[in-house]
This record gives sequence, C-alpha cells and structure tokens, in this order.
Amino acid sequence: DTAVSQTPKYLVTQMGNDKSIKCEQNLGHDTMYWYKQDSKKFLKIMFSYNNKELIINETVPNRFSPKSPDKAHLNLHINSLELGDSAVYFCASSRGQGVPYEQYFGPGTRLTVT
Amino acid sequence: AQSVTQPDIHITVSEGASLELRCNYSYGATPYLFWYVQSPGQGLQLLLKYFSGDTLVQGIKGFEAEFKRSQSSFNLRKPSVHWSDAAEYFCAVGTGGFKTIFGAGTRLFVKA
Repeated sequence: DTAVSQTPKYLVTQMGNDKSIKCEQNLGHDTMYWYKQDSKKFLKIMFSYNNKELIINETVPNRFSPKSPDKAHLNLHINSLELGDSAVYFCASSRGQGVPYEQYFGPGTRLTVT
Repeated sequence: AQSVTQPDIHITVSEGASLELRCNYSYGATPYLFWYVQSPGQGLQLLLKYFSGDTLVQGIKGFEAEFKRSQSSFNLRKPSVHWSDAAEYFCAVGTGGFKTIFGAGTRLFVKA
C-alpha cells in the first residue's frame, strides 16, 4: 500500500486555468505538508496542516489555497495559473507535534503551465 | 536565521569508491538533522536522522552520517558506492514546531 499518494502525477494546463492536486496518507500521521520543487531541485515549504488546522503558511500567492477535509487528506487548489507555477509539487506527512519528525513524501505532481 | 548549506552542487564518484556529501547547518538550538534521497521522478525518501545520542548514525542502503556540533556539520558517507546510488541528496534540519529546512541538494553521479 502506498503511504502517501498524490493525484494526478502529471498536470498540463494553460495559463489562467484553475486546478487541484489531491493528497492522501494512510500512515495515521497528524501533520501534512505541501512543498514546491523548482527546476533547480530547490524544495520550498508552502503549507502545513496539523489535525486539519493550518500551522504553516509561507509566503505563497493567495491563488494557492490548501484544504484539509480530515487529517488523512490535504488538497491544493490553484487559481489563475501562471507560467511561474510550473514545478513539481510534493505532499508529505509526519507524526506528532512540537518535534520535527521525519517526513514521508508522495511521488510528486509535475505541473506544467503553458 | 536557520539555514542548511550543501556546498557541492554535484559530485561524481566511481562505482566502488567511497562517498562523502557535506552538509552544514545554522540553527541556534539542538538540531534535528536528516538526510533524504530523491531518485529521478520520485519523491524524497529518508536515509537517516539524528535527534540525540550517538553522533554517528546509521541509515538505510549502507549510508551513515556523523553529527559534529563544533563544526555545525552532518556529513553523509558511504564506504562503497553502487550505480543505483546515483540520485539527488538533501540534507535537512528540523526546527521548532513543524518546519523543516532543506538544503539545495547535491546531485550524485556514479561512473562505471
């Protein structure tokens, strides 16, 4: 069974469109994250939820909106897509609170905006 | 400010040779340190972690890392590299709360 899964794996869309990426973890973890990895492989935290509560919200355009319907799911919705949004987006999860435990990553969603 | 530096953007080693990937961090408190590996087209996988205790930690796939507080370093080592080790390696430091800061990564090439 896949621990952290993301759908879709690839997403090609045009500028101005709205798209969503879904993430699910079956590890029983309390905390989930969204990261953006650019073409130089730099990994940047975007959001984090702990038990459905937003706890990290980095400097991200408000076109990006995360939603956590329950602690096993964390989705990312992006409005009015721009060329600069092209990247690989990773979902991750970890256990616990107050301690930066190791994270388990999904396979990534490669978003290409044309 | 908290940061992680991986000085080598890429490294090439021969198969069977030893490997050391460097990592330096900047963090005021006791750090939680990690090494992750990312194979092409895949997500990151944890190789090993240091939270406390023995400063030499063993990980998966024959990797080890040594925490040196005086040098603010957490270098990753492997005595004999295999072609399948070719990948991107990320050092990371976990800060208070939930935030983990990743280095820029070191790309490992393995030549036959």
